Amino acid sequence: GIQVEQSPPDLILQEGANSTLRCNFSDSVNNLQWFHQNPWGQLINLFYIPSGTKQNGRLSATTVATERYSLLYISSSQTTDSGVYFCAVERGGTYKYIFGTGTRLKVLA
Amino acid sequence: EAQVTQNPRYLITVTGKKLTVTCSQNMNHEYMSWYRQDPGLGLRQIYYSMNVEVTDKGDVPEGYKVSRKEKRNFPLILESPSPNQTSLYFCASSSPTGGRYTFGSGTRLTVV
Repeated sequence: GIQVEQSPPDLILQEGANSTLRCNFSDSVNNLQWFHQNPWGQLINLFYIPSGTKQNGRLSATTVATERYSLLYISSSQTTDSGVYFCAVERGGTYKYIFGTGTRLKVLA
Repeated sequence: EAQVTQNPRYLITVTGKKLTVTCSQNMNHEYMSWYRQDPGLGLRQIYYSMNVEVTDKGDVPEGYKVSRKEKRNFPLILESPSPNQTSLYFCASSSPTGGRYTFGSGTRLTVV
């Protein structure tokens, strides 16, 4: 089956710093999403981005489907950005999203 | 407010005692799915449903049942829970199928 790898696995930032999280996948996909799991365990959808670039405030994401990767950019990080970031991919017709193992981010005040 | 509601949030039960975790969404989404999250294993899909009366197995369906009698509800049933089903469970919905997910707040289940 399709493999989803995220890097780095762990990241510690000082408040105000920028970061880039990467998601690589081993086969072509139809859909891709990014999620943030906050320290209370809630999963928040950040982006639905099968291709192209989207921005939402301090966050932006780019998916290059032909090269099988997606990037999540966090600018001017805040302590509330702490948590785990997951990407998930869906192969066409399978109706199954496969999740990566996540990047654990800690932002220090 | 558009949301997916799971109940209960926390549950401790004993081996073999049937239980149901409820999931309800108010967005008229066709697609609903259950995941479990375990340390080191990430999120894995248990079952999904593409519409009323249409359900299918995910990657880890053993020991679970689901039903989709109404569009808004997708309960997860553990007929005879075992300790290896101790986990954090999430329900999600989307429209269309394969589209943007909305997750419930999660149910932390402990089976002793």
